[in-house]
Amino acid sequence: GQQVMQIPQYQHVQEGEDFTTYCNSSTTLSNIQWYKQRPGGHPVFLIQLVKSGEVKKQKRLTFQFGEAKKNSSLHITATQTTDVGTYFCAPDGGYSTLTFGKGTMLLVSP
Amino acid sequence: DSGVTQTPKHLITATGQRVTLRCSPRSGDLSVYWYQQSLDQGLQFLIQYYNGEERAKGNILERFSAQQFPDLHSELNLSSLELGDSALYFCASSASGQGTGELFFGEGSRLTVL
Repeated sequence: GQQVMQIPQYQHVQEGEDFTTYCNSSTTLSNIQWYKQRPGGHPVFLIQLVKSGEVKKQKRLTFQFGEAKKNSSLHITATQTTDVGTYFCAPDGGYSTLTFGKGTMLLVSP
Repeated sequence: DSGVTQTPKHLITATGQRVTLRCSPRSGDLSVYWYQQSLDQGLQFLIQYYNGEERAKGNILERFSAQQFPDLHSELNLSSLELGDSALYFCASSASGQGTGELFFGEGSRLTVL
């Protein structure tokens, strides 16, 4: 499966601050998915990006897929305590497997 | 509720023992994936089945095996357990067999090896 570097590993923000996590691959990706795992929970699908340069928004969350399809980012505007959790990128290299990055753990203080 | 059911939720056993984890996918999903999650390794892909056939293999140890039955439920067998096998084991299902669609995860089985 595809290997990716996800940064940062951990971020602690004050409620209302913005947050961004990055996912970088050395190879071109077919598509990329993002998942969120709340503490004590299981990963939950957020979105899939397929097209080069694609940008998708879900309320305060903005997802981008790089022009070269080698990187992706998730940006959260004005974080809330409900955003706490670990965010995983999961690149799909075109095979029927999904390899997850190590995730970025987000902690939001009120 | 993702629709994916995993049992047991918690399991405590001793080194050298063997355990079986069970997963029932969402109704209609043909693909089942197994992942291992430990603190230092993140989510590690173990193995995938599609409609009863092994489709892809990841970092699965030889002591581990899995199968998918005709009714599409899957079992992950872990044998000769070691302390390092303590982890959360997730099953996920998807409708897609060609390429990877959205994965729906179960709540996981937490294995503790003492």
